[in-house]
Amino acid sequence: GAGVSQSPSNKVTEKGKDVELRCDPISGHTALYWYRQRLGQGLEFLIYFQGNSAPDKSGLPSDRFSAERTGESVSTLTIQRTQQEDSAVYLCASGRGPEETQYFGPGTRLLVL
Amino acid sequence: GQQLNQSPQSMFIQEGEDVSMNCTSSSIFNTWLWYKQDPGEGPVLLIALYKAGELTSNGRLTAQFGITRKDSFLNISASIPSDVGIYFCAGQLEGGGSNYKLTFGKGTLLTVNP
Repeated sequence: GAGVSQSPSNKVTEKGKDVELRCDPISGHTALYWYRQRLGQGLEFLIYFQGNSAPDKSGLPSDRFSAERTGESVSTLTIQRTQQEDSAVYLCASGRGPEETQYFGPGTRLLVL
Repeated sequence: GQQLNQSPQSMFIQEGEDVSMNCTSSSIFNTWLWYKQDPGEGPVLLIALYKAGELTSNGRLTAQFGITRKDSFLNISASIPSDVGIYFCAGQLEGGGSNYKLTFGKGTLLTVNP
């Protein structure tokens, strides 16, 4: 497909475990974003990648959160030592550039028990 | 930090009715966006607004960028059942080198009764 894909679509984990979420952006999109959406809330910005520039990590809520991106392709968001408050939908978006339209993936629904 | 106040939080309407929702901000935005999110999906862009006072339509949807650049509204005319979903406003701040960041409202949950 031509859209942003994310995996897994759902993840249930136990408190304290690490999780890794994956995002495949639209081919050719240099900008990639991660957002968190808590139940009944809007989207919170987490991190932004643009080409080979240093990522903007200003939205990451704690040092348990980290993300990587390989060139202009796949990105992974890692949450270490998960806590119950990490339960949310994690959305990835990509765009042709920093001010271009952001196209969202379907999200990964994370539940921490 | 920046906040967007979106209202109403939810709406329950009859098919065929018109709908209006709005967002206000304490900050000036240079772009306003309206997204729709269906259950289990990511948000999809409906309308983008780039100039103060701009009024833009997309089918039955109409959105306006407020003159003060601190507010926007979205209207849906003649609602149909597939309009059901959560509608989000989002703003991009002016300048500062971080204008790729979007600030989102909390969403308006729309339910349409056939």
